[in-house]
Amino acid sequence: NAGVMQNPRHLVRRRGQEARLRCSPMKGHSHVYWYRQLPEEGLKFMVYLQKENIIDESGMPKERFSAEFPKEGPSILRIQQVVRGDSAAYFCASSPPRGANTEAFFGQGTRLTVV
Amino acid sequence: GQNIDQPTEMTATEGAIVQINCTYQTSGFNGLFWYQQHAGEAPTFLSYNVLDGLEEKGRFSSFLSRSKGYSYLLLKELQMKDSASYLCAVTSGNTGKLIFGQGTTLQVKP
Repeated sequence: NAGVMQNPRHLVRRRGQEARLRCSPMKGHSHVYWYRQLPEEGLKFMVYLQKENIIDESGMPKERFSAEFPKEGPSILRIQQVVRGDSAAYFCASSPPRGANTEAFFGQGTRLTVV
Repeated sequence: GQNIDQPTEMTATEGAIVQINCTYQTSGFNGLFWYQQHAGEAPTFLSYNVLDGLEEKGRFSSFLSRSKGYSYLLLKELQMKDSASYLCAVTSGNTGKLIFGQGTTLQVKP
């Protein structure tokens, strides 16, 4: 059973470009969470999705950021018109549909560098 | 609001015991997790506490006091590979989202 797969592992974008980060949850997992880790800071919750539904996006910046988890395919975190402050590690975690207090498994992360 | 505090850095000696504390203030507390994160890698699950008391798992133990909003992670027989960041996180409500502290960077010295 493969773990949570994120790609790319490293992404370099120039200011103003778009960044697309992908996350394939573990097999059987229908809950996906995105977290951001700025340099020298802790992990910050961004968004929680289930298939075709955004459940909680209270941690998402109001502009330029969007997320989806379609019926087929990976979850996508999209950042439009990136700025230097978007440089961070973005982690995806997934958990099975067994309630709120189930261990979440994290992917290896995508390290975004905006130049 | 939600607030989670843990020390920023700790240093300990190989073979020793270290305790990493975490205090939290949150509404609708549902449980507390500890994760380990090596530099440049994904967080990996260590422990989960929802009831008061001590949970032991090999060299690692975690304690929770809900009335005091307090937890600690105890690492015994420290090894060099235990040098990592240790993240305290709580869940509240029913979404399962994790609210993390800043993490404690532990350095194990020979």
